[in-house]
Amino acid sequence: NAGVTQTPKFRILKIGQSMTLQCTQDMNHNYMYWYRQDPGMGLKLIYYSVGAGITDKGEVPNGYNVSRSTTEDFPLRLELAAPSQTSVYFCASSSPIWTPGGELFFGEGSRLTVL
Amino acid sequence: EDKVVQSPLSLVVHEGDTVTLNCSYEVTNFRSLLWYKQEKKAPTFLFMLTSSGIEKKSGRLSSILDKKELFSILNITATQTGDSAIYLCAVGAGAGKSTFGDGTTLTVKP
Repeated sequence: NAGVTQTPKFRILKIGQSMTLQCTQDMNHNYMYWYRQDPGMGLKLIYYSVGAGITDKGEVPNGYNVSRSTTEDFPLRLELAAPSQTSVYFCASSSPIWTPGGELFFGEGSRLTVL
Repeated sequence: EDKVVQSPLSLVVHEGDTVTLNCSYEVTNFRSLLWYKQEKKAPTFLFMLTSSGIEKKSGRLSSILDKKELFSILNITATQTGDSAIYLCAVGAGAGKSTFGDGTTLTVKP
């Protein structure tokens, strides 16, 4: 019963490098999300998707890109990493959010440091 | 722009105290309000509220939503040290977007 799986769990990047955070879910959820959490703060929405082929920007999309080619996978790409992108990243998935059982299921998080 | 504001930002209490955490919101096409508890890792789900005035309860935790005044409260009675965590409020909107507040950090001292 895997739920939401994110990789890698930890990564150190140099300024200007690029990388992809992988996220996959096995609950057949249509909705998927990427959040970042800075120390002492709540979660800020980067991008979200309501189904395969459909993505939309959240509150803080600059410097990131996403794609959703399948229901299961929602990778987050960081282009030209900057120190401001040092954060913990969470992927989540859900059923429609207004339905019983529509809460977000989270991955374990990916801690990214940009030096 | 959707907005979720939690108060207080932090709170220190002693075991046995009762606490009330607040969450107010301004969102387009409100669908649901959710409470999560976050310890070391990912948030874990506590409650989902969609209707005004109906209290959700789980053990010592309870929550209620007021859709007219656009806020929710989370109550914790007889607090224990294991309740120490960040409590996050999130609001779900019709487009599928879930917006979080900055959280309330609760510290329960023995």
